[in-house]
Amino acid sequence: QLQLQESGPGLVKPSETLSLTCTVSGGSISSSSYYWGWIRQPPGKGLEWIGSIYYSGSTYYNPSLKSRVTISVDTSKNQFSLKLTSVTAADTAVYYCARLTKGAAGSLFDFWGHGTLVTVSS
Amino acid sequence: SYELTQPPSMSVSPGQTARITCSGDALPKKYAYWYQQKSGQAPVLVIYEDSKRPSGIPERFSGSSSGTVATLTISGAQVEDEADYYCYSTDSSGNHVVFGGGTKLTVL
Repeated sequence: QLQLQESGPGLVKPSETLSLTCTVSGGSISSSSYYWGWIRQPPGKGLEWIGSIYYSGSTYYNPSLKSRVTISVDTSKNQFSLKLTSVTAADTAVYYCARLTKGAAGSLFDFWGHGTLVTVSS
Repeated sequence: SYELTQPPSMSVSPGQTARITCSGDALPKKYAYWYQQKSGQAPVLVIYEDSKRPSGIPERFSGSSSGTVATLTISGAQVEDEADYYCYSTDSSGNHVVFGGGTKLTVL
């Protein structure tokens, strides 16, 4: 069974860079059938897609975050990562990683990590 | 940028039918997906590709899409269906995922 696990600091200072890694087990991140993505949810607010990456390194980002976001993949470690620069309190959220099955007419997030809370505070 | 619009909240009595809408210009050509999220829990997929129900999801959950509006229907809503419901889809390019703002469903 595929599993995804987020890891990284739970506390980040304002203006610094948030870095998270998602480790995939039970399947290969290099599968040509899937993309891999990050989603976040601020406390008490809705879900927000951050971006997605293909094993080749091809990326798509939320336009509202694009200037601050980098998603990368390390196929040798079966991991993909998120970096969000110049964070503020508004970036405090539960961050989820997920697998994305991308089709011609839709994209399904079919497996999710448990999520990790990242708080931005000095 | 592309947006999906949901009503912020709705309320039904137990046994009534709840219909939650999701509006977006690309929905005629792109599937809608629906997640249920109960307080303090991770989202659970309840409908995918407009109208398909994952295994384990009760039959009272159904989905449909017509034109620019996708609809999640809960027929005979139960108290345990009280949750936030999110639709999501992609823009016309298919490369950018968008979530609706979420609908808080109260069943009482």
